[in-house]
Amino acid sequence: GAGVSQSPSNKVTEKGKDVELRCDPISGHTALYWYRQSLGQGLEFLIYFQGNSAPDKSGLPSDRFSAERTGGSVSTLTIQRTQQEDSAVYLCASSFRRGGSKDTQYFGPGTRLTVL
Amino acid sequence: GEDVEQSLFLSVREGDSSVINCTYTDSSSTYLYWYKQEPGAGLQLLTYIFSNMDMKQDQRLTVLLNKKDKHLSLRIADTQTGDSAIYFCAEKSSNTGKLIFGQGTTLQVKP
Repeated sequence: GAGVSQSPSNKVTEKGKDVELRCDPISGHTALYWYRQSLGQGLEFLIYFQGNSAPDKSGLPSDRFSAERTGGSVSTLTIQRTQQEDSAVYLCASSFRRGGSKDTQYFGPGTRLTVL
Repeated sequence: GEDVEQSLFLSVREGDSSVINCTYTDSSSTYLYWYKQEPGAGLQLLTYIFSNMDMKQDQRLTVLLNKKDKHLSLRIADTQTGDSAIYFCAEKSSNTGKLIFGQGTTLQVKP
């Protein structure tokens, strides 16, 4: 079946511009995660959605970052007023549910963001 | 706090076994994972182990878990050039479900 998809695969933007990154989780998966992979910081958790519960935003690095998940499926990660340190690969993952063996997270191919 | 540590680099000859090691800090982690990342690609789930298990074998992959020492290892038997990649160890936070990743081990397989 189809895996997690993300778009765009690459995004180059100028410092100060806003960007939106999209994630389509595996159909039927109720949990959705955003992570960031950068050279200096490795793989970092950003935000987590589970069903209709309030998202866990504890990993968002600043208030310029926000995310939403509409209809319990597609998610958009928005970065406002981008800075050069935001350059990274943004990875989305989804899982069937939180807890237990079904919570295995499957990752999308990522969006490579470059801020000039 | 939660932390996962891995060695950064491992080089082996084709046909040899590779052993990638990982230590973690959250003793209440229920699942531990190994992911593989090839150049320019996303993270591919290789295998996982439940915390009440000591060992899990899946074809050429063997995962060993020492819960007392909070040590996890991934053994790849008969390593092939196609196994060259970055391998990430991850623990699942018992509180939030998020994954805490190690820095990744780059495996280089020489022909």
